[in-house]
Amino acid sequence: QTVVTQEPSFSVSPGGTVTLTCALSSGSVSTNYYPSWYQQTPGQAPRALIHSTDTRSSGVPDRFSGSILGDKAALTITGAQADDESDYYCVLYLGNGVWIFGGGTKVTVL
Amino acid sequence: QVQVVESGGAVVQPGRSLRLSCAGSGYSFSGYGMHWVRQAPGKGMEWVAVITHDGSRQYYADSVKGRFIISKDNSKNTTYLQMNSLRLEDTAVYYCARWYGSTYWFDPWGQGTLVMVSS
Repeated sequence: QTVVTQEPSFSVSPGGTVTLTCALSSGSVSTNYYPSWYQQTPGQAPRALIHSTDTRSSGVPDRFSGSILGDKAALTITGAQADDESDYYCVLYLGNGVWIFGGGTKVTVL
Repeated sequence: QVQVVESGGAVVQPGRSLRLSCAGSGYSFSGYGMHWVRQAPGKGMEWVAVITHDGSRQYYADSVKGRFIISKDNSKNTTYLQMNSLRLEDTAVYYCARWYGSTYWFDPWGQGTLVMVSS
């Protein structure tokens, strides 16, 4: 069974930088998995941040960036702000009409 | 603006059925597919099912295959999730999200509708 693993939590200082990763149990994550990232704040609908590895969704601040780091997909927040405190989920497309979510990373800004 | 809105969540007994609806607006509904994603209380998200723009193909997570059916009525701008043989572990907030074309992402998402399976 394929599993996508994210760090459970991260803490970052205001103005600091944090990189979240997304690993695939069956091997390396590549652009062929079309990694995408979503932000979920309690009480709000999830919001798309990044798609196709590194393309920002409309209206997303440029402090959010996506990439492939080694064998993982990555989301970097540069210059973290208080309202970036949220849960972040990566999603990979496995092909044949199947998607899989990572377990999510809770980011605290303090 | 582009939006999707879920409805139909309820409290239901194990083994019973329930149908969720997802209405899309602000875009050409027939040109996009739709996903269902769920989130159990205090847990992460789980992809559930997707349907292509024309309703011709449907795909499911193993956890719901054979019990859930996704469908799409382009004349009503609505996608459905028929949930049969419900189990306690199906308790979750169910979100619909537009399948954004050939780049395999989800945008936008709805606010979700709560399904609670309880005896």
